[in-house]
Amino acid sequence: SSELTQDPAVSVALGQTVRITCQGDSLRSYYTTWYQQKPGQAPILVIYGENNRPSGIPDRFSASSSGNTASLTITGAQAEDEADYYCHSRDTGGKHYVFGTGTKVTVL
Amino acid sequence: QVQLVQSGAEVRKPGASVKVSCKTSGYTFTSHDINWVRQATGQGLEWMGWMNPNTGDTGYAQKFQGRVTMTRDTSISTAYMELSSLRSEDTAVYYCARDLGYCSGGSCSNWFDPWGQGTLVTVTS
Repeated sequence: SSELTQDPAVSVALGQTVRITCQGDSLRSYYTTWYQQKPGQAPILVIYGENNRPSGIPDRFSASSSGNTASLTITGAQAEDEADYYCHSRDTGGKHYVFGTGTKVTVL
Repeated sequence: QVQLVQSGAEVRKPGASVKVSCKTSGYTFTSHDINWVRQATGQGLEWMGWMNPNTGDTGYAQKFQGRVTMTRDTSISTAYMELSSLRSEDTAVYYCARDLGYCSGGSCSNWFDPWGQGTLVTVTS
């Protein structure tokens, strides 16, 4: 399968920890990338490679992976983390890309 | 700094075509693939295809095969995405993004960074 499945929505209390998961067969072979998208804005890169953050992304964002499931964890969620998050990887054939279905994170 | 600046919003009738541009700056245009991604209102991200600006090679998602063409003009560091036979379901924001990546220990990683600001294409009769 070339699909990446995410939970549609999760909520987290301010300052608490939330984990977003992404499932797909291709994740066994390729690293997962994570993007954050706020309303009306283009996506921005949050995590790439094994667990790398671009300059400017807070260290409360981290990633892990096991088997066909990748996870993005926000430790100590802040109000500004409220956004949609998408996972991204190659498809099982390796020649094309696929995005996850997206998870809306609400910070309470 | 690296920037991808896209052309402005477009309105088209069903059956028509649209061509969106993505002007790059701040890096060597021919060194990294350009990908196109679209997003309908309230929906998720949908990958459309990639283009190698150095060779002109392309790869398209099966859904868009036969309707999408990705090209470039290396003299002005600009990539283009043309979508034909438009229908109402093609109404969306279209993004270009630079493709970066590496392989390590037998596993590979690719990521899109940065993204253009997006171009709204509206298909309406």
